[in-house]
Amino acid sequence: ETGVTQTPRHLVMGMTNKKSLKCEQHLGHNAMYWYKQSAKKPLELMFVYSLEERVENNSVPSRFSPECPNSSHLFLHLHTLQPEDSALYLCASSQGQGHNYGYTFGSGTRLTVV
Amino acid sequence: AQSVAQPEDQVNVAEGNPLTVKCTYSVSGNPYLFWYVQYPNRGLQFLLKYITGDNLVKGSYGFEAEFNKSQTSFHLKKPSALVSDSALYFCAATGNAGNMLTFGGGTRLMVKP
Repeated sequence: ETGVTQTPRHLVMGMTNKKSLKCEQHLGHNAMYWYKQSAKKPLELMFVYSLEERVENNSVPSRFSPECPNSSHLFLHLHTLQPEDSALYLCASSQGQGHNYGYTFGSGTRLTVV
Repeated sequence: AQSVAQPEDQVNVAEGNPLTVKCTYSVSGNPYLFWYVQYPNRGLQFLLKYITGDNLVKGSYGFEAEFNKSQTSFHLKKPSALVSDSALYFCAATGNAGNMLTFGGGTRLMVKP
């Protein structure tokens, strides 16, 4: 265990469903991130929260909606997804910008949209 | 803007042979450099980092990396590869300007018996 926990580990959803991914860290970090990792594609940064405020949103479609209710929890709400959204979704956290210790990643949620 | 390049999509090496996974970077200011490893359906795991000090950094599982400022490189190395080292490796960097980490595209390492 890295200290960053993602649930569920696997998720299959239809295109009309609404679901949420959850990320939890108890490392005392103050920044959290969502990444998308598709087959044969590099890591795509989706959202960044620092001190519970969204500081970056990399042109992500509105069918993905993040929520950061406190510094330990991060959610990614999903609705009306497309098959191309099937991917491994990774959560990470860091203390500050991550200069000194880098990022700590969760194990990811494998999402399949059918 | 920051950038990290991993020029090889895949590196193949025989078990017992030395391995090198290449990484070059472009950041403003002093670089902060990291290597991560990813096994199938898992998140990225920290291997090692360079912040300051000795150019040769030792990390987990016998891996090491050499910081070369003039070539802006941070290549990952291991003297003797194991089949269990087969995984996806990511290099990441940032400068002291306070930016987030930028990740390279990843290099798949295949170690054959």
